[in-house]
Amino acid sequence: DTGVSQDPRHKITKRGQNVTFRCDPISEHNRLYWYRQTLGQGPEFLTYFQNEAQLEKSRLLSDRFSAERPKGSFSTLEIQRTEQGDSAMYLCASSLRQDEQYFGPGTRLTVT
Amino acid sequence: KQEVTQIPAALSVPEGENLVLNCSFTDSAIYNLQWFRQDPGKGLTSLLLIQSSQREQTSGRLNASLDKSSGRSTLYIAASQPGDSATYLCAVITRGGSNYKLTFGKGTLLTVNP
Repeated sequence: DTGVSQDPRHKITKRGQNVTFRCDPISEHNRLYWYRQTLGQGPEFLTYFQNEAQLEKSRLLSDRFSAERPKGSFSTLEIQRTEQGDSAMYLCASSLRQDEQYFGPGTRLTVT
Repeated sequence: KQEVTQIPAALSVPEGENLVLNCSFTDSAIYNLQWFRQDPGKGLTSLLLIQSSQREQTSGRLNASLDKSSGRSTLYIAASQPGDSATYLCAVITRGGSNYKLTFGKGTLLTVNP
């Protein structure tokens, strides 16, 4: 399968713990996006990378969130000191230039 | 700030019926518009991408139209099937520097009954 992959698919954690998610984009895509989707809502933009550079971050991305894309390949999204309000589906997408974005299956986070 | 609204929020139809899903957006300065399908607990599957210079796009039983000046798009599904049951999301693509960002509506939950 050469699509966007995300790991893990599901994560249950206790409040206050740190979690890290991984996204592997389509291999030739230089642009990578993270979105967050809560129940009954559409996905909301979190951050964007072009190659290894993080070029935009949403105000939704508090100081507890950090994203990286070393070497312009896979990306990680870390949430420190998780809160119940962080429970959501975290979606990753990639694209080539300004073409349409292709989404991964998402990581569902539940904070208890 | 761009806002995207989808109507109706939910729709239930019998198999075989033709149907229309509506999407409206507040800022007509969009780059493209994209329709997605999302199955429960899953990621998004791209259905159609309409460039801002286009009026419509077709793929199989799906046809999407775009009227930038009025801030509207419609997704037409012909001869609906139970397998079409899913949430359909509309997203407008706006350009900010090198970032082509998607702003989504809340989606329309479609149920096609056999």
